[in-house]
Amino acid sequence: GQQVMQIPQYQHVQEGEDFTTYCNSSTTLSNIQWYKQRPGGHPVFLIQLVKSGEVKKQKRLTFQFGEAKKNSSLHITATQTTDVGTYFCAAGIEKWSASNTGKLIFGQGTTLQVKP
Amino acid sequence: SQTIHQWPATLVQPVGSPLSLECTVEGTSNPNLYWYRQAAGRGLQLLFYSVGIGQISSEVPQNLSASRPQDRQFILSSKKLLLSDSGFYLCAWSVHRAGAHNEQFFGPGTRLTVL
Repeated sequence: GQQVMQIPQYQHVQEGEDFTTYCNSSTTLSNIQWYKQRPGGHPVFLIQLVKSGEVKKQKRLTFQFGEAKKNSSLHITATQTTDVGTYFCAAGIEKWSASNTGKLIFGQGTTLQVKP
Repeated sequence: SQTIHQWPATLVQPVGSPLSLECTVEGTSNPNLYWYRQAAGRGLQLLFYSVGIGQISSEVPQNLSASRPQDRQFILSSKKLLLSDSGFYLCAWSVHRAGAHNEQFFGPGTRLTVL
């Protein structure tokens, strides 16, 4: 079945350093979503990208959707301890049918640890 | 506003025992509903999803089943638990709209340990 590959699996950074996680698919995606899961918590929606080449920013977070709609990235500038958690990308596949409406394919996540 | 409830929060069950986890959504109608499992330190595995009452799609072969007896109620069951069923079970909902992949809202989850 379709898969979404997310790298790296883990990242340890010093507070103030930047962080990037990447998401790649072999098939064209209709959209890409990003979620954050704090330790012990549940995933929380961050953002959705729909258009080819789209870039969105939320304060220190920058989200990009590739021109071919097959990859995406999340970049955090100047990490803080509050950024700790696991970041998931989740893809909506391009070819929609009545049987898969709403279904997302989640990447394996990137766990970010920030040293103060 | 919409809320999603899951219970219980934690559960310890012996191998071979039955399982029933319940998820309910408030404040919306005809949502898409999802059950995910997350092994420790791992990603989200989609188990079942439903686009309407009585409509269940199974994603992976396993000894689990799901039912949607009411519009905003989603139940995950097993007749006999296996050790490998241990994990963090998450229920989620999204707005039902044909052709769309809307954001998903997750419940607080149930941590299941099978001994």
